[in-house]
Amino acid sequence: QITLKESGPTLVKPTQTLTLTCTFSGFSLSTSGVAVGWIRQPPGKALEWLALIYWDDDKRYSPSLKSRLTITKDTSKNQVVLTMTNMDPVDTATYYCAHRRTNQLDFDYWGQGTLVTVSS
Amino acid sequence: QSVLTQPPSVSGAPGQRVTISCTGSSSNIGAGYDVHWYQQLPGTAPKLLIYGNSNRPSGVPDRFSGSKSGTSASLAITGLQAEDEADYYCQSYDSSLSGPNWVFGGGTKLTVL
Repeated sequence: QITLKESGPTLVKPTQTLTLTCTFSGFSLSTSGVAVGWIRQPPGKALEWLALIYWDDDKRYSPSLKSRLTITKDTSKNQVVLTMTNMDPVDTATYYCAHRRTNQLDFDYWGQGTLVTVSS
Repeated sequence: QSVLTQPPSVSGAPGQRVTISCTGSSSNIGAGYDVHWYQQLPGTAPKLLIYGNSNRPSGVPDRFSGSKSGTSASLAITGLQAEDEADYYCQSYDSSLSGPNWVFGGGTKLTVL
């Protein structure tokens, strides 16, 4: 079955760069049509899509955060990495990675999420 | 402010029927993109509830149904149960000039009275 799990720091300082890793199993990011995305959720607030990477290494970013985000994949390790630069306290959120349903536009499997707090 | 608009809260008694609306625009729902719904139980990750406007993944009870018309969509829950108390989010795809991206609603908190 498909599983995903996020990992990374729980606390980062303002202006620092955040690096999160999504380690998954049950599918391959080298298979046509597969994609993995990142979504975040500030405490008590709504979900916000951040980025997505396709099996062919094509990438999509949230227009409002594009300048700060980089998404990459390591197919051999079954991992997707998201980096976000210049972190600010407003970036405090639970960050989720999710499997995009193959060739569709929804997310059918989600990781448990990891809470990242931005504070000095 | 979310691209898709949902009511902040809805409530209903056990056994009742409730609906949650999701309003978009001509660059997302109105452009023909499907609407998907997620259920987020307290302290857990979102779970896909409805995909492609009205389809239920395996294991989702048929008490949950979705529909779409024009620039809006709705999630209906019949035979409300205490375990349905959760946050519900709609999601679609937006092709505005700023760039294509996945968009979510602001979420609706369902309270079972």
